[in-house]
Amino acid sequence: EAQVTQNPRYLITVTGKKLTVTCSQNMNHEYMSWYRQDPGLGLRQIYYSMNVEVTDKGDVPEGYKVSRKEKRNFPLILESPSPNQTSLYFCASRPTSGGGTGELFFGEGSRLTVL
Amino acid sequence: GQSLEQPSEVTAVEGAIVQINCTYQTSGFYGLSWYQQHDGGAPTFLSYNALDGLEETGRFSSFLSRSDSYGYLLLQELQMKDSASYFCAAPGGYQKVTFGTGTKLQVIP
Repeated sequence: EAQVTQNPRYLITVTGKKLTVTCSQNMNHEYMSWYRQDPGLGLRQIYYSMNVEVTDKGDVPEGYKVSRKEKRNFPLILESPSPNQTSLYFCASRPTSGGGTGELFFGEGSRLTVL
Repeated sequence: GQSLEQPSEVTAVEGAIVQINCTYQTSGFYGLSWYQQHDGGAPTFLSYNALDGLEETGRFSSFLSRSDSYGYLLLQELQMKDSASYFCAAPGGYQKVTFGTGTKLQVIP
């Protein structure tokens, strides 16, 4: 089954304790991206990656890091989480071949609480 | 940069038709997408308009007018299961994708 898998789905942590949210897709998509969703603000892009070893900042990258060492994986790293990073996080992927609808395939989301 | 504006909430009656609008300001525009998100779920793709005009997919249709920087999602024969949040999104080429603030649709009996 084609899917984007995120882990963990739920996490409560404390300020300053490094954490990683993993994202893996099995559709051989070149493009992967992370979003955070907060009430009233919609989905805001954190980082995206056009392909292996190619990453770039989205609209809200502060406090986050990413890496793209393999095509299928795109982990989101919070080196020193703070309470304002409490949010619902989504990973998404899509192919970058020409044309098409640009449809993004989303993971199920990871709800993070930073105390 | 890009910004997409949507009404925050819409209420409609089961069986009726509802239109959800999206106005955008972009520095580069490649088309308008629509996504549906049920509470607690992931966004799922509904439609995409690259060109002006109406695209129809079953009960859902989407419209784009580039000259007016405006689009809408039209839902017909509303069902209770259509209660969800709907987001317009503008892909910036193959790179950034900016989402609207979302419209929460409530379908009432």
